[in-house]
Amino acid sequence: GAVVSQHPSRVICKSGTSVKIECRSLDFQATTMFWYRQFPKQSLMLMATSNEGSKATYEQGVEKDKFLINHASLTLSTLTVTSAHPEDSSFYICSVDHGETQYFGPGTRLLVL
Amino acid sequence: KQEVTQIPAALSVPEGENLVLNCSFTDSAIYNLQWFRQDPGKGLTSLLLIQSSQREQTSGRLNASLDKSSGRSTLYIAASQPGDSATYLCAVNKETSGSRLTFGEGTQLTVNP
Repeated sequence: GAVVSQHPSRVICKSGTSVKIECRSLDFQATTMFWYRQFPKQSLMLMATSNEGSKATYEQGVEKDKFLINHASLTLSTLTVTSAHPEDSSFYICSVDHGETQYFGPGTRLLVL
Repeated sequence: KQEVTQIPAALSVPEGENLVLNCSFTDSAIYNLQWFRQDPGKGLTSLLLIQSSQREQTSGRLNASLDKSSGRSTLYIAASQPGDSATYLCAVNKETSGSRLTFGEGTQLTVNP
């Protein structure tokens, strides 16, 4: 399967700061990437679809001004959590659309103090 | 709206036992169904993908079945090992072009030595 990386793997920040998470497709070009959020012992919830060269498509209830997505190249999408608060603490996972399936990154654990 | 349910939520078995994980979905108009494995604090690893036209897929000790009309899938694990301990997620894809996955809540499996 395809190799997808995320950076950082873990981040701790103070409330009110912004945090950027990178998702890279290492071995093929991806026009579409996905960002998920996962709370402890819960499943993955799709936050948004990241489209290369155009605006991201956000799921209902996800604030686009809080979770900024940039997909400037065919191998990189970034998710920026702006003015993070403790309730934003979660596990964020990206995936790369590869036809009929998706390949997932290893996830980023965000803890907002 | 597609809903995916997995039963049981958690399962603990002794090593060597054969076991079945269940997944049900409310909308039978799916393109494919996929089973993933997630280790604690990690991303997702694809185990098996079943097309809507297929009834089962096998990989090593794993066998996944699909009954699209009744909205059910099972993941059979033969001769379980402690290394099988993880959370198993099923996801359905409704899209015929690309993928848009709806996940179940997962089954947390513990195989005791």
